[in-house]
Amino acid sequence: EADIYQTPRYLVIGTGKKITLECSQTMGHDKMYWYQQDPGMELHLIHYSYGVNSTEKGDLSSESTVSRIRTEHFPLTLESARPSHTSQYLCASSEALFQETQYFGPGTRLLVL
Amino acid sequence: AQSVTQPDIHITVSEGASLELRCNYSYGATPYLFWYVQSPGQGLQLLLKYFSGDTLVQGIKGFEAEFKRSQSSFNLRKPSVHWSDAAEYFCAVGGNNAGNMLTFGGGTRLMVKP
Repeated sequence: EADIYQTPRYLVIGTGKKITLECSQTMGHDKMYWYQQDPGMELHLIHYSYGVNSTEKGDLSSESTVSRIRTEHFPLTLESARPSHTSQYLCASSEALFQETQYFGPGTRLLVL
Repeated sequence: AQSVTQPDIHITVSEGASLELRCNYSYGATPYLFWYVQSPGQGLQLLLKYFSGDTLVQGIKGFEAEFKRSQSSFNLRKPSVHWSDAAEYFCAVGGNNAGNMLTFGGGTRLMVKP
């Protein structure tokens, strides 16, 4: 059982608000990821990190930003939420450099009104 | 560029019937292949993975998948489906170096009839 947590699980917020989605893992994994998933659709990688102080953009362009100050923590921030940001955000982590088995958190469902 | 195709968006099977979910991939070298399952409102759980060796891979919950290089496929199977298997299933492909990320297919939603 993977130990990766996301909070909040559900968030409803108004346009223009700043939000931070939290992701923490207790497995000591170096690599962490953020995916965006619209209902019934595939996952799109929006950010990833190789380790502390490393952040990279993924395949899908996103207005969000991430930080990696501690190994276990990889928060995602939207400075000004918009309805187009409504989606599910999944956080994941992996241990090894070459075997990309990723362990996923339960996700955060975001609704921007 | 790597890609994954899951041709079936929805599949409905009767409880107790056999199941096969299709996955075709495109990748320039030896792929790492994964099947994940996602229950409603949940994250993804790894069912099984193929890195090398035996092309028939056993996973959790009675699932198995077979890697067929000649067909670029990695189909997921289960001999007898249970109602609790109703979920969304994602196939993913990754590479064998540190820079390669996972690419996910569009998913197949499985419904199970009683």
